Amino acid sequence: AQSVAQPEDQVNVAEGNPLTVKCTYSVSGNPYLFWYVQYPNRGLQFLLKYITGDNLVKGSYGFEAEFNKSQTSFHLKKPSALVSDSALYFCAVSHYYNTDKLIFGTGTRLQVFP
Amino acid sequence: NAGVTQTPKFQVLKTGQSMTLQCAQDMNHEYMSWYRQDPGMGLRLIHYSVGAGITDQGEVPNGYNVSRSTTEDFPLRLLSAAPSQTSVYFCASSYGQGTYEQYFGPGTRLTVT
Repeated sequence: AQSVAQPEDQVNVAEGNPLTVKCTYSVSGNPYLFWYVQYPNRGLQFLLKYITGDNLVKGSYGFEAEFNKSQTSFHLKKPSALVSDSALYFCAVSHYYNTDKLIFGTGTRLQVFP
Repeated sequence: NAGVTQTPKFQVLKTGQSMTLQCAQDMNHEYMSWYRQDPGMGLRLIHYSVGAGITDQGEVPNGYNVSRSTTEDFPLRLLSAAPSQTSVYFCASSYGQGTYEQYFGPGTRLTVT
C-alpha cells in the first residue's frame, strides 16, 4: 500500500534562513508526488508536483522540492523563508497503478519567526 | 469562476441525525473527492468520483454516502451522525486523477454531540 510520512510535526526557522520540510514515501512503482499548503481556516492550495523528468521541481511562492528515488524522499525547500510562509504543509503521493487515490501525510507546521 | 464551493461552513449535529454536505465546482472537472481532516492525521480520503454516475470508496468510507448525478455537484451524506465524525470536511476537484493538482473548497467544520 502506498503511504507518505512527514517526520516533523513542526519546523521553526528564522526569517531569511533556508527552510526544509521533509517527506518520505512508500509506493510500488513510480510515484507521483505533491506538496500542498494550508493557511489558517482555509482549504489546501497546490504548491508543486513531481511526475517525471528533472528531479528538482520548482513551484509557487519560491518553493522547490527535490525528488530522490534512492532515498524515497521529496523534501520541500526554500532558500529564504518569509514570515508569510508560516502555514501547514502537506506532502501527498499517488502512483501509476493507482492514480485514483491521493494519500496525504499528517502535515508539518512551519513557523517562521521575524 | 467561483472554483470549489462548500456549504455549510459550520454545522452542529446531535448523534443520530442525518445531513448532507454540499460541494459544487464550476471548472468542468471530472474528478471530485471528499476528505476529512483530523488533528495529527492529515487528510483522509472518504469517497471519490471519476465522473458523473461513478463513485468509489476511499480510505474511510464507513458512515458516509455519496452520489454524482452531475459533473458539477458531489454531495456527501451522513446517514446517522456519530461523535467520531466530528471533523473538518474538504471537497476537492481536478481535471483527472493521479497527475493533476486538486483544487480544494474552503471546508465544512462539523461537530457531532
